[in-house]
Amino acid sequence: QLQESGPGLVKSSETLSLTCTVSRGSISRRDFYWAWIRQPPGKGLEWIGSIYESGFAYYNLSFKGRVTISVDKSKNQFSLRLNSVTAADMAVYYCARGPRGHYEFDPWGQGTLVTVS
Amino acid sequence: QSVLTQPPSASGTPGERVTISCSGGNSNIERNDVSWYQQFPGTAPKLLIYRNNQRPSGVPDRISGSKSGTAASLAVSGLRSEDEAHYYCATWDDSLSGWVFGGGTELTVL
Repeated sequence: QLQESGPGLVKSSETLSLTCTVSRGSISRRDFYWAWIRQPPGKGLEWIGSIYESGFAYYNLSFKGRVTISVDKSKNQFSLRLNSVTAADMAVYYCARGPRGHYEFDPWGQGTLVTVS
Repeated sequence: QSVLTQPPSASGTPGERVTISCSGGNSNIERNDVSWYQQFPGTAPKLLIYRNNQRPSGVPDRISGSKSGTAASLAVSGLRSEDEAHYYCATWDDSLSGWVFGGGTELTVL
């Protein structure tokens, strides 16, 4: 239902851009939020940020303003931009959905590995 | 260092019952629902438990979750080799205004 896409290789100091396409159901539904989560190789999960269909987004403060999440209702997609990447940003990036008002993520996309050179 | 603390590893023999703990605080677990995820190598996490103790359809009833105060736990009964995976807890943290995950527990079936 969710599929990440974007470059698998990003140069250090440049911007990482990924898109998540929602293939079943509408991203415009008000009863869901949409999220980006990442996992560095061999490590645990880290929430990056989330967005509602209205475009209201909120982010993990540890990213210090480097993150922007946006939604494109016409394409049933939401996107992630992470600026000024370093080697520490190398990870598998997942998109996921959650029910508004609750604290779980389901389903998840299959994930996409982003390497920083 | 994760906001939620999980043991890095757990193990059991087939048929045993194993529990995995997730310790937090009064800004996260105590105030908000906990979810649990199962992850096999090379695959995306899958929701295993939501709202502390609810199972999505398809998750067997030998899997259960509970929460008390600032801690949550996941129990796997009748352990099977197919349960070998990493398990993560997660919840919302009111102080951080964001989701937090545990560091993950690798479950081994001996």
